[in-house]
Amino acid sequence: AQSVTQPDIHITVSEGASLELRCNYSYGATPYLFWYVQSPGQGLQLLLKYFSGDTLVQGIKGFEAEFKRSQSSFNLRKPSVHWSDAAEYFCAVGVRNQGGKLIFGQGTELSVKP
Amino acid sequence: GAVVSQHPSWVICKSGTSVKIECRSLDFQATTMFWYRQFPKQSLMLMATSNEGSKATYEQGVEKDKFLINHASLTLSTLTVTSAHPEDSSFYICSVTQGASNQPQHFGDGTRLSIL
Repeated sequence: AQSVTQPDIHITVSEGASLELRCNYSYGATPYLFWYVQSPGQGLQLLLKYFSGDTLVQGIKGFEAEFKRSQSSFNLRKPSVHWSDAAEYFCAVGVRNQGGKLIFGQGTELSVKP
Repeated sequence: GAVVSQHPSWVICKSGTSVKIECRSLDFQATTMFWYRQFPKQSLMLMATSNEGSKATYEQGVEKDKFLINHASLTLSTLTVTSAHPEDSSFYICSVTQGASNQPQHFGDGTRLSIL
């Protein structure tokens, strides 16, 4: 069955420290992968996406993610976290032939310590 | 700029009333729109897929008579919560897409619905 797992419900990092948010997927074919960020009371904003090609993708706000087929992972990274990065982060996989339907992970809440 | 406009952003109403939420695609003609419900501290739960000019496809467990979806044009979909009750209180989010699985969804800012 298709699924997305974000093992960490809540992560706290210090401002300026590096960040890695984990995402594992289960999908029968090459996946289309997305990372979204949600600030409290807001909709979701697309950070980056992977379809094919270079397995390291760059996104907005200094984020990047690496697709590792052997590990079924698509972890999100940022070298230096800012206080404004505190938010909920969702990993998602696009379901083929279903009009753009997404399967979301449970989300990871990021807190940033000053 | 915003790709999706969702309105209203917050609504409070009495139990038994019906509430309509609009979702507009601003940048492109959206053949497909999605409606989600989100509970506090939880992920998004897909309620239905809305296709222009056809009936919406509801996810299992979602009452189609309770949550009426209309996608009358390529830029507008509406979700009407009929005879709303306190248990319908939630955060509702729409998204738009050009319909291909390798295209991202663009999300509205959500509607906070509170039923008294």
